[in-house]
Amino acid sequence: DIQLTQSPPFLSASVGDRVSLTCRASQAISTYLAWYQQKPGQAPRLLIYASTTLQNGVPSRFSGSGSGTLFTLTISSLQPEDFAVYYCQQLNSYPLTFGGGTKVEIK
Amino acid sequence: EKELLESGGGLVSPGGSLRLSCVASGFNFNSYAMNWVRQAPGKGLEWIASLSDVGGTKNYVDSVEGRFTISRDNSVNTMYLQMNYLTVEDTAMYFCAKRAVRGNYWFFDLWGRGTQVTVSS
Repeated sequence: DIQLTQSPPFLSASVGDRVSLTCRASQAISTYLAWYQQKPGQAPRLLIYASTTLQNGVPSRFSGSGSGTLFTLTISSLQPEDFAVYYCQQLNSYPLTFGGGTKVEIK
Repeated sequence: EKELLESGGGLVSPGGSLRLSCVASGFNFNSYAMNWVRQAPGKGLEWIASLSDVGGTKNYVDSVEGRFTISRDNSVNTMYLQMNYLTVEDTAMYFCAKRAVRGNYWFFDLWGRGTQVTVSS
């Protein structure tokens, strides 16, 4: 099984900050990686797929990069509505695994 | 509007069974593979099962293989998860998710709000 390790597990930041979240895969997955945002009591929301492709309707302050084993989600200017938990997911092979998440909190 | 609506969760004793349902609306249900994802209290997301568009191909995470069965009835736009031999470790919010495809890439672009399953004596 492919393990995904997200870092940091918690991130404290201020509105307007640029933040980067990392997802590392235990083996190469090309660009078969998606990022999701989840707010308390809500279902996850797709942000990015194929490592870099922004889902329709997602603000352009979100961007993704990476291939192989190392991936990054960047928020260029953190907004109040961005405080949430972010998960990466690999869709290279079954079982389709998620990372443990990064919780972005208000400083 | 595209929507997924789960139901069927509840409180069940260890060793018991439940059947979850996920009703789809607003899109061509029989054109898409579907998935179940769960989230234990205070924990992260765990993919547990996938089913192809016509139901011919199923995949499961090891922890549920042999106990859970994913199925669908395209005539009523509904996916199911039959859960048997439940344990306390199965306690979670269960989400259904639609799998979209762009070229070679898959992703889960539509999620339901979830249904809570609690396994306790």
